[in-house]
Amino acid sequence: QKEVEQDPGPLSVPEGAIVSLNCTYSNSAFQYFMWYRQYSRKGPELLMYTYSSGNKEDGRFTAQVDKSSKYISLFIRDSQPSDSATYLCAMKNSSASKIIFGSGTRLSIRP
Amino acid sequence: EAGVVQSPRYKIIEKKQPVAFWCNPISGHNTLYWYRQNLGQGPELLIRYENEEAVDDSQLPKDRFSAERLKGVDSTLKIQPAELGDSAVYLCASSYGDEQFFGPGTRLTVL
Repeated sequence: QKEVEQDPGPLSVPEGAIVSLNCTYSNSAFQYFMWYRQYSRKGPELLMYTYSSGNKEDGRFTAQVDKSSKYISLFIRDSQPSDSATYLCAMKNSSASKIIFGSGTRLSIRP
Repeated sequence: EAGVVQSPRYKIIEKKQPVAFWCNPISGHNTLYWYRQNLGQGPELLIRYENEEAVDDSQLPKDRFSAERLKGVDSTLKIQPAELGDSAVYLCASSYGDEQFFGPGTRLTVL
């Protein structure tokens, strides 16, 4: 069993829809949770960074962490075609430890 | 500010040949990472440097892979000899604090 599980998609939604992306994990020691966006032929870029449980909002993006269920989510409101990319969840035990990435979900926003 | 620079962007070689990848991190970033990203997967850490010192190379296949970071700035990752299974994108990242900044990667194809 992988430490981090992520549905690979692809996920296709119309422009303006709310998108929900999710990951589950097995290691209860994970404390730091991240979402990266990766455009084709590019490296990942950090989108959201949260510590422990709770919600964090940044513009159209909201990250949720439920440590009791070992489940994290990323919500994208008013989705735009420019949001079309692969979204990778990632997590780590401590600030200095290595990041464990999910396999990524391919998202396509239809104009 | 310039981002992480990697070269070459693409490399095609035959199996058993050597190959090298170069990375120039963001100026002032003392931590440098090499990741491998297989198709449809998230990045996996190969090696992490703090300045010139390799502090985590537990995932580096040392029989064929080597890396160096002379003077604590640029870094080179080498594979000798390459195998078919080494086909992947090799990503370099650098950081000063918690956030890692990724380069565009080198896409390696081994025939």
